[in-house]
Amino acid sequence: SQTIHQWPATLVQPVGSPLSLECTVEGTSNPNLYWYRQAAGRGLQLLFYSVGIGQISSEVPQNLSASRPQDRQFILSSKKLLLSDSGFYLCAWAPGTVQETQYFGPGTRLLVL
Amino acid sequence: SQQGEEDPQALSIQEGENATMNCSYKTSINNLQWYRQNSGRGLVHLILIRSNEREKHSGRLRVTLDTSKKSSSLLITASRAADTASYFCATSHNTDKLIFGTGTRLQVFP
Repeated sequence: SQTIHQWPATLVQPVGSPLSLECTVEGTSNPNLYWYRQAAGRGLQLLFYSVGIGQISSEVPQNLSASRPQDRQFILSSKKLLLSDSGFYLCAWAPGTVQETQYFGPGTRLLVL
Repeated sequence: SQQGEEDPQALSIQEGENATMNCSYKTSINNLQWYRQNSGRGLVHLILIRSNEREKHSGRLRVTLDTSKKSSSLLITASRAADTASYFCATSHNTDKLIFGTGTRLQVFP
């Protein structure tokens, strides 16, 4: 069966520090991968998605970047965090390119101070 | 914005009552999905209804879809305290991504 992992679960970082959040998927190949951000009590904002290794689509101009170095690994990064980068970051995967169910990881709560 | 809208934003009911949440969207869809999110956790897929379907059931969940009105509803029957969560609709529009609604926070009191 497929599983999706995210780490760390919680992160507190100072303004201006770098960021690296990792997401890995097991039990499937060639998944579509997604990064979302969720502000407290709000809906999901799609940040990046990827349909293959090295292929990244950015949805919102911002202080973040994403990379997909391996088929089942998706990384969210920043060189210098801003206060506004605080939030709950969710990674998800979906099979193929036809939009069916997305499967979400447990999330990373990021607090930038 | 393509983002769907859900209504109500928050709903409080007693155990045993039914809970109804609505979702409206703006452009034609391939399918519409409902997800549940417990506080501080990831989203969990509940049910998917395709654009050519009008109603679908899964256990205590009933979803309807009216493509002429661009709306869907999620009914949870005989609610339980464990149903307390946020519920999101998400629409598929012939791309590689889903558009999520703003969510309904459901509180079920024992």
